Amino acid sequence: AQSVTQLGSHVSVSEGALVLLRCNYSSSVPPYLFWYVQYPNQGLQLLLKYTTGATLVKGINGFEAEFKKSETSFHLTKPSAHMSDAAEYFCAVRANAGGTSYGKLTFGQGTILTVHP
Amino acid sequence: GAGVSQSPRYKVAKRGQDVALRCDPISGHVSLFWYQQALGQGPEFLTYFQNEAQLDKSGLPSDRFFAERPEGSVSTLKIQRTQQEDSAVYLCASSPSVADEQFFGPGTRLTVL
Repeated sequence: AQSVTQLGSHVSVSEGALVLLRCNYSSSVPPYLFWYVQYPNQGLQLLLKYTTGATLVKGINGFEAEFKKSETSFHLTKPSAHMSDAAEYFCAVRANAGGTSYGKLTFGQGTILTVHP
Repeated sequence: GAGVSQSPRYKVAKRGQDVALRCDPISGHVSLFWYQQALGQGPEFLTYFQNEAQLDKSGLPSDRFFAERPEGSVSTLKIQRTQQEDSAVYLCASSPSVADEQFFGPGTRLTVL
């Protein structure tokens, strides 16, 4: 079984400040991990993903995330927030092994990021 | 190229009505997923197709929910005798194979009155 916990349903930062969105996961098998962004009335867009290899993953729009197995975490960061980063962010986990549920994504509840001038 | 499209974008139904939600995946994508996103929640998995085969329907909340993909392309999610708790955004995603990135459509917002 897999689960994802996003700490903080709302995060507010000033433009230019560090963005840190927290994600912890639980998985019985080595996971694949994802961050998605959702703008109002739009579908989910993939920001970045961890599958294997380097634990620091860089994504689009200056975001990055680090997979820490010992902490079962995959926190999302961006050094300097921009007004256009305001959106809802979802962390997700997927099993990396086979089986009928292989492709199924399990999402966290989301974190709404507000960026103020 | 065209992304995943869903129709209608918005649907209002009276309780007890049947609804059908359509998903047009990216051409050539083998895998297709349906998710349900309730207000203020993350998406939750409903069902998965590989071509026309429905390989996982473990997330369908009740037997009122039915999905099909008869020719391995367009998929329809049908909800019979809708109830207020069915109100949500229904997201469709497709991918070239089950191991690849899933591309999401804009969703259909269903409101049951």
